[in-house]
Amino acid sequence: RKEVEQDPGPFNVPEGATVAFNCTYSNSASQSFFWYRQDCRKEPKLLMSVYSSGNEDGRFTAQLNRASQYISLLIRDSKLSDSATYLCVVNIPTGNQFYFGTGTSLTVIP
Amino acid sequence: DAGVIQSPRHEVTEMGQEVTLRCKPISGHDYLFWYRQTMMRGLELLIYFNNNVPIDDSGMPEDRFSAKMPNASFSTLKIQPSEPRDSAVYFCASSLWAGSTNEQFFGPGTRLTVL
Repeated sequence: RKEVEQDPGPFNVPEGATVAFNCTYSNSASQSFFWYRQDCRKEPKLLMSVYSSGNEDGRFTAQLNRASQYISLLIRDSKLSDSATYLCVVNIPTGNQFYFGTGTSLTVIP
Repeated sequence: DAGVIQSPRHEVTEMGQEVTLRCKPISGHDYLFWYRQTMMRGLELLIYFNNNVPIDDSGMPEDRFSAKMPNASFSTLKIQPSEPRDSAVYFCASSLWAGSTNEQFFGPGTRLTVL
């Protein structure tokens, strides 16, 4: 079983739509969770951390469900500029290293 | 700060040749990571260093791969001899240890093609 699993998509949504991505992780002792964004042929960049209580940053909302070991990312009012691959990232408890999911591809269509 | 710097940005080589990838982390960061990204396997951690010391190299595919960090501002990843299946984008990333907010900053990557 992979440490982090994501639906690869692709998700093709119209502008203004709401889209949600889920990610499951296998290590129940993981403490840090993140969503990274990767544009085509670019490096991954941190989009947002995911906190236990859930957190929001503008149109983006991240949720953590420890009991079911999954995290989610909700994007409201999608923009063309949201088109990218979204990577789910989970730390391993014993050190400062992370597992990256293979990413979910999003294309926002005009 | 200029961010994480990697060179070369693109490398095309022939099977059997030695390839050396270079990375300069963000000044003051004490962790450095080497990743490989392919369409099939996504982003895989190869090795990481803490204060220039290799901590975990379990992701290094085989003996053809080696990595060094001679000082806090420079690291290399070497493949010798290279094979076509090594073709991928290789990213270097650095971070501070800051508990739950230890963001990793990635370099622009080296796109390696082995013919």
